[in-house]
Amino acid sequence: GAGVSQTPSNKVTEKGKYVELRCDPISGHTALYWYRQSLGQGPEFLIYFQGTGAADDSGLPNDRFFAVRPEGSVSTLKIQRTERGDSAVYLCASSLTGAHYGYTFGSGTRLTVV
Amino acid sequence: GDSVTQMEGPVTLSEEAFLTINCTYTATGYPSLFWYVQYPGEGLQLLLKATKADDKGSNKGFEATYRKETTSFHLEKGSVQVSDSAVYFCALSEDTDKLIFGTGTRLQVFP
Repeated sequence: GAGVSQTPSNKVTEKGKYVELRCDPISGHTALYWYRQSLGQGPEFLIYFQGTGAADDSGLPNDRFFAVRPEGSVSTLKIQRTERGDSAVYLCASSLTGAHYGYTFGSGTRLTVV
Repeated sequence: GDSVTQMEGPVTLSEEAFLTINCTYTATGYPSLFWYVQYPGEGLQLLLKATKADDKGSNKGFEATYRKETTSFHLEKGSVQVSDSAVYFCALSEDTDKLIFGTGTRLQVFP
């Protein structure tokens, strides 16, 4: 597609529920990134995929968070047993050449845990 | 660890005023430096970048120079417009493939 697409744009869920957030990167971009942006803060790195594999998952806050990219294109961020502190905007980005040359970000999924 | 510090906002200016948004960084090596912009209701967009010391990144009238001696990458524009109202994020990337962002500075430009 023309840009990075994230769905849903908004998600409200109850504490303790499971959620999946989807990212569809720019066609041909091998690198895909997930970030989390809390209110009034800059985005914080969660995980980076190169192709199908997670090259760096050091930013995932705990084992409730998991992400996959089974065919090297679409990625899904999965959050189990959601907590109110998980409320944030989850951003996905993709890149052909890597961080040093800049990414293209999607518009994000705003997750609210009530 | 690596970090980015930006001036707190909001920065409020009249149209055609000169803009400076300060950004300093801490890094162990020689990072690439970026400014990203987030317009209301839109995703983050890369505004400009610089990959080595003394490089100047520029785009849409904005400029920033990579100053290794002062570990800074201040964003400047000579004459702002109402349409420049947005949140601006300074960021760096070292040897890894992730970006480290500052907290963002909101710019509000009034006619």
